[in-house]
Amino acid sequence: QKEVEQDPGPLSVPEGAIVSLNCTYSNSAFQYFMWYRQYSRKGPELLMYTYSSGNKEDGRFTAQVDKSSKYISLFIRDSQPSDSATYLCAMTRYNQGGKLIFGQGTELSVKP
Amino acid sequence: GAVVSQHPSRVICKSGTSVKIECRSLDFQATTMFWYRQFPKQSLMLMATSNEGSKATYEQGVEKDKFLINHASLTLSTLTVTSAHPEDSSFYICSASGDEGRTHGYTFGSGTRLTVV
Repeated sequence: QKEVEQDPGPLSVPEGAIVSLNCTYSNSAFQYFMWYRQYSRKGPELLMYTYSSGNKEDGRFTAQVDKSSKYISLFIRDSQPSDSATYLCAMTRYNQGGKLIFGQGTELSVKP
Repeated sequence: GAVVSQHPSRVICKSGTSVKIECRSLDFQATTMFWYRQFPKQSLMLMATSNEGSKATYEQGVEKDKFLINHASLTLSTLTVTSAHPEDSSFYICSASGDEGRTHGYTFGSGTRLTVV
């Protein structure tokens, strides 16, 4: 079993839809949770960063962490064609010095 | 925010030659840098972790003699692919970690697409 599981998709939605992306994990020691967006042939771009449980909102993006369920989510409201990319969840724990464990990535396509 | 610069963005080299990829943290001191490899439509695979002034720690299955990592300063790490072969063609990405990582997340470079012909 992988430490972090993420549905690879692909996920296709119409413009304006609400998108829900999810990851589950097995290591309860994870404390820092991130979502990255990666366009084709580019490096991952940090979208959201959350420490421990809770919600965090930034514009159209909302990240949720439920440590009791070992489940994290990224919601995208009013999705745009420019949101079409691969979304990767990543997480780490204290004293890992930044070594991230990634999900497989979900490929999202937002159709005009 | 933290910026990580990676060069070159793409390189084509002949089989048997060596290629060097640079990763720089522009506005913070990166005590640790990470090198990843990514195959098409797959996630990032950690290759090695480098700490400034010490030897890199390689993940299982990664050839340390083929992928030479040097982290000579707090702002620069290099990955050299030695005696490159077509199977080394891939997308290589670096990440730098400093104190800001724990409070703001970790930043990646823009990646280097290596093609060995």
